[in-house]
Amino acid sequence: GQNIDQPTEMTATEGAIVQINCTYQTSGFNGLFWYQQHAGEAPTFLSYNVLDGLEEKGRFSSFLSRSKGYSYLLLKELQMKDSASYLCAVRDMGSGTYKYIFGTGTRLKVLA
Amino acid sequence: NAGVMQNPRHLVRRRGQEARLRCSPMKGHSHVYWYRQLPEEGLKFMVYLQKENIIDESGMPKERFSAEFPKEGPSILRIQQVVRGDSAAYFCASSQGLAKNIQYFGAGTRLSVL
Repeated sequence: GQNIDQPTEMTATEGAIVQINCTYQTSGFNGLFWYQQHAGEAPTFLSYNVLDGLEEKGRFSSFLSRSKGYSYLLLKELQMKDSASYLCAVRDMGSGTYKYIFGTGTRLKVLA
Repeated sequence: NAGVMQNPRHLVRRRGQEARLRCSPMKGHSHVYWYRQLPEEGLKFMVYLQKENIIDESGMPKERFSAEFPKEGPSILRIQQVVRGDSAAYFCASSQGLAKNIQYFGAGTRLSVL
């Protein structure tokens, strides 16, 4: 089957580093995406991984290990505005067409 | 370059009425996806369309729900005879359909059924 797991909530302090993990099971893996979603707003694209390794983009980095079905999003130098939900999504081609499967999201609270 | 536009942002309907949700993709994007999100839950895939074609509707209920993406104009998600359980945020995303195929989301339509 298809399944994505990520922690429900995390709390961190302003200026710190936080790592949000995501594990997945799919039949036809074709890429992993991270999105940020503030309450009541649209998800906004953060990062994309299709090969193993680390992708760095400013304060945000994303890592992928396809053999382990595992990814993480690393947020450095946390700011209050980083308080949001972070959605892990996998693109699956198992059914022959692109299908995007989203996790339930990790609610991150950044404390002063 | 305007982003994905959804309207209305908020829609209130009484049970039994019809709800029509519109989505205009980003310029140059020919792929549209509809998702539903309940509070404290993730995005649930509903339907994937390209111009004039439904590619995958496996996430959409067989009854009362339909979607289209005509050659001209926005994509429409239609919910007939709405029930209270249809209350949710409905998000549309579009993509170019190229290698990375990154989806960009609209601001969503929040449907409330009274």
